[in-house]
Amino acid sequence: AQSVTQLDSHVSVSEGTPVLLRCNYSSSYSPSLFWYVQHPNKGLQLLLKYTSAATLVKGINGFEAEFKKSETSFHLTKPSAHMSDAAEYFCVVTDNNAGNMLTFGGGTRLMVKP
Amino acid sequence: DSGVTQTPKHLITATGQRVTLRCSPRSGDLSVYWYQQSLDQGLQFLIQYYNGEERAKGNILERFSAQQFPDLHSELNLSSLELGDSALYFCASSVRGTSSGPSYNEQFFGPGTRLTVL
Repeated sequence: AQSVTQLDSHVSVSEGTPVLLRCNYSSSYSPSLFWYVQHPNKGLQLLLKYTSAATLVKGINGFEAEFKKSETSFHLTKPSAHMSDAAEYFCVVTDNNAGNMLTFGGGTRLMVKP
Repeated sequence: DSGVTQTPKHLITATGQRVTLRCSPRSGDLSVYWYQQSLDQGLQFLIQYYNGEERAKGNILERFSAQQFPDLHSELNLSSLELGDSALYFCASSVRGTSSGPSYNEQFFGPGTRLTVL
């Protein structure tokens, strides 16, 4: 079985300050982990993915995430927030032993203040 | 633009009715997935088809069904609709039906169909 917990439902930062969105996962097998972003009234866009290669993963728009097996975490970071980063972010896990089904976290709404 | 298309974009209907949502996967993708996004349940996997065959089932109600046609487009049928079925329904597609070991089989999402049941 696999599950994802996003520790914050809302995060508010000021433009130009760092972003940290926290995610913990549970998986019976070696997982693949992802972050997706959903802008208002839009579909889901893949930000970055971890698939057992480098533990520090770089994604689009300056985001990156670090896979920490010992902590079962996959936190998303960005050094400097931009107004256009305001969106809903989803941490997602798939169990490589159980097909391709994605399990989504509850989402974190990121608000960026000017 | 992911290459996955969904129609209609919006759908408003009444309780007890039946609707059909349509999804066209990216060219060459054999696998189609349906997800439901609602305020109380979040984003949930419903069902997966691969090359016309059902591959995996998630939290899909018995009132809901899906199929994938020979041209690989898929339809999600929702019947005896209830107020709680109001949600955003996403379709995604991928090349293969499963992940192979450490190799991730990326899913590309469509823009969604927003269903409102009144």
